[in-house]
Amino acid sequence: EPEVTQTPSHQVTQMGQEVILRCVPISNHLYFYWYRQILGQKVEFLVSFYNNEISEKSEIFDDQFSVERPDGSNFTLKIRSTKLEDSAMYFCASTRTSGGSSYEQYFGPGTRLTVT
Amino acid sequence: AQSVTQPDIHITVSEGASLELRCNYSYGATPYLFWYVQSPGQGLQLLLKYFSGDTLVQGIKGFEAEFKRSQSSFNLRKPSVHWSDAAEYFCAVNEEYGNKLVFGAGTILRVKS
Repeated sequence: EPEVTQTPSHQVTQMGQEVILRCVPISNHLYFYWYRQILGQKVEFLVSFYNNEISEKSEIFDDQFSVERPDGSNFTLKIRSTKLEDSAMYFCASTRTSGGSSYEQYFGPGTRLTVT
Repeated sequence: AQSVTQPDIHITVSEGASLELRCNYSYGATPYLFWYVQSPGQGLQLLLKYFSGDTLVQGIKGFEAEFKRSQSSFNLRKPSVHWSDAAEYFCAVNEEYGNKLVFGAGTILRVKS
């Protein structure tokens, strides 16, 4: 069964450094998402992406964050200058449609980002 | 704004006992409703979803959920819990043809033998 993959599984970085989290969505999916989960807290939406542009973003997704689909398979989240509070599990998700009975967001296993 | 409430942070049940995890949502129209499960160190796996029609939906691993519009609830149930069901369970909602999922805070299920 096709699945969403994410690399790396764990990333440790120093405050102020740039990090890029990588995701490979399911191949025929068109809509892509990033969520994060700070330890002990709920999963929060960051951004959605369709047709090579951001379709929605949360207030968390400020100028420090950016997303890109550099080729036909990868979907990346970049944090320009990491802060301690960026430490979290970051999940990538994808869907084939934007609604309807077949709508389902498939999640990757996550990247645990630790900022020291 | 949409919101999801899972009032129970932790629940402990005995193996073989029945389970009900509560979920209440706040949304004006009929939402799309989901239950996800997260095992330690793992991603989010979809258990079941509700869009319309029959208000009792069946999912994987023997789980079911019932949509009650009058109570704005979408509670998850399982008649007999197995030790492997120990995990964290998240209820989520999104608007029809919307983009993002809004998650509840999660309920951690512990199963005692």
